[in-house]
Amino acid sequence: DVKVTQSSRYLVKRTGEKVFLECVQDMDHENMFWYRQDPGLGLRLIYFSYDVKMKEKGDIPEGYSVSREKKERFSLILESASTNQTSMYLCASSFPAGLIVHYEQYFGPGTRLTVT
Amino acid sequence: ELKVEQNPLFLSMQEGKNYTIYCNYSTTSDRLYWYRQDPGKSLESLFVLLSNGAVKQEGRLMASLDTKARLSTLHITAAVHDLSATYFCAVGGRDDKIIFGKGTRLHILP
Repeated sequence: DVKVTQSSRYLVKRTGEKVFLECVQDMDHENMFWYRQDPGLGLRLIYFSYDVKMKEKGDIPEGYSVSREKKERFSLILESASTNQTSMYLCASSFPAGLIVHYEQYFGPGTRLTVT
Repeated sequence: ELKVEQNPLFLSMQEGKNYTIYCNYSTTSDRLYWYRQDPGKSLESLFVLLSNGAVKQEGRLMASLDTKARLSTLHITAAVHDLSATYFCAVGGRDDKIIFGKGTRLHILP
């Protein structure tokens, strides 16, 4: 079974703190993604990475950065947390669409971040 | 730009009834997904649909895809309380990205 794990289920941080969210997958997937989920807005893509040290901005990258030093690990960084970054953060991973017919994304359990 | 619209966004229904959730998308794609999310939990893959006319069934859920109409449906047969969840439609975009609809929150009343 594919396993995607995230470092914390719940996190409370103060405004201005630097926040690290970690995601690890064990299926040797090339692609990894960070989303945020807010009520009524669905899932919005923050960043994704298709290879080690490679990254692409998603729809809402402002206020976030990412790091992928190893294939299995993808980190989301909030350089200076703000209250409007309070949200559920979901990590996902997948093979490239061209590599496998039954392409789909596998999700981690999510991190509920509260910034006060 | 690929857009994905689901309707309804909220559905309350009685156990034993049938209903359909609709997913429309704006540009051509060769991949459509349905996910389920229980409250406070992550997303679980239900179906992957890859071709026009594809139909997949799991228990009381059946998903179909019409690529010409850019429409997918998720049909619920004889609903039971355990199917209460939020259901997301998602469509494959460029560069391995997947674009999600806003989700349909399904509440099944006993």
